[in-house]
Amino acid sequence: IAGITQAPTSQILAAGRRMTLRCTQDMRHNAMYWYRQDLGLGLRLIHYSNTAGTTGKGEVPDGYSVSRANTDDFPLTLASAVPSQTSVYFCASQSYSNTGELFFGEGSRLTVL
Amino acid sequence: AQSVTQPDIHITVSEGASLELRCNYSYGATPYLFWYVQSPGQGLQLLLKYFSGDTLVQGIKGFEAEFKRSQSSFNLRKPSVHWSDAAEYFCAVGAPDSWGKLQFGSGTQVVVTP
Repeated sequence: IAGITQAPTSQILAAGRRMTLRCTQDMRHNAMYWYRQDLGLGLRLIHYSNTAGTTGKGEVPDGYSVSRANTDDFPLTLASAVPSQTSVYFCASQSYSNTGELFFGEGSRLTVL
Repeated sequence: AQSVTQPDIHITVSEGASLELRCNYSYGATPYLFWYVQSPGQGLQLLLKYFSGDTLVQGIKGFEAEFKRSQSSFNLRKPSVHWSDAAEYFCAVGAPDSWGKLQFGSGTQVVVTP
């Protein structure tokens, strides 16, 4: 079982370019999330989706967009990347069960120059 | 608004010694509380969680945490650390109706020495 797959693992991007980070889960979880991790700040929620067809804004949504066309995929798009979006991005999923556990992917390291 | 503070950025502990990581939270009601561990280059893995009930919760890898409402704390402990416990540890708080939308602390880096 793969769990959550993120791609690319690492990417260097010129400022102003468009970039989509991919996230796929094979656990049929209802909810999915995108977090960014920055040194000294922990993880901050960018966007989330409680179920296919719905999305919502997290703590730091500006400059990012998401879509949830189906249960398995939750791509994160940077329409015009800026250096402050240099970060490690984690996708996570969650099943609506008693555990409430978030399952994380291994992250996508993005550098915007 | 909810928030989480992890006062210790970095902790060094000898293998076999005990470990305690501090976490203080701010939340209007009883929150859902979590501890996650991140090994280098990896995603986060859940160690344990507190929703309600017994305030001392047991997790994986021999970790436990105690919820103290009066101190707004949820400290993580392990009686005897192993070299494999070297990692970054994150405390997180969530609201009962939206626990996937977590507020994370800034993390504590744990180094284990021989």
